[in-house]
Amino acid sequence: DTAVSQTPKYLVTQMGNDKSIKCEQNLGHDTMYWYKQDSKKFLKIMFSYNNKELIINETVPNRFSPKSPDKAHLNLHINSLELGDSAVYFCASSRAGVDTEAFFGQGTRLTVV
Amino acid sequence: GENVEQHPSTLSVQEGDSAVIKCTYSDSASNYFPWYKQELGKRPQLIIDIRSNVGEKKDQRIAVTLNKTAKHFSLHITETQPEDSAVYFCAASIAGNTPLVFGKGTRLSVIA
Repeated sequence: DTAVSQTPKYLVTQMGNDKSIKCEQNLGHDTMYWYKQDSKKFLKIMFSYNNKELIINETVPNRFSPKSPDKAHLNLHINSLELGDSAVYFCASSRAGVDTEAFFGQGTRLTVV
Repeated sequence: GENVEQHPSTLSVQEGDSAVIKCTYSDSASNYFPWYKQELGKRPQLIIDIRSNVGEKKDQRIAVTLNKTAKHFSLHITETQPEDSAVYFCAASIAGNTPLVFGKGTRLSVIA
């Protein structure tokens, strides 16, 4: 069983479009994250959700919005896509407390053309 | 907020040699320091972690050291093998309270 799964794996879309990336975890974790990995391989935190509440929101454009229908899901919606949004987006989850290993999904490679 | 610096950005070693990657962090409240390995086209995966109540931890050929006073921690890989070639990330967080903040990664190449 895949612990953290995200779909789609690849996404190619035109500038100006709106797209979503889905993420699900079956680990029973209470915190989920979205990270962006750019072409230089830098991993930057975008959002963190704990018990359906956004607890940290880094300085990302408001075109990006996380949506968590329940504790096991954290989807990423992106409006009005721009060329600079091209990157690999990773979903991750962890458990609050001492044991805070973050488990990553397989990533979604977004290409905006 | 937390800032993590990682060096070097690239590292090439001969097979069988040791590799050392160093990181510094800025937030003295951080108490959890994991290391992730990311192979080409794959997700980052935890290889070892250390908490602030421990100075050193080993797992076979991999070890991590932590100096809380200086706010730096290091990854040591001994007897490197070609399959160790990957990008390695250090990270820091306040366990259970803040998300992991990653360093910029080190691309390790092990030359056979």
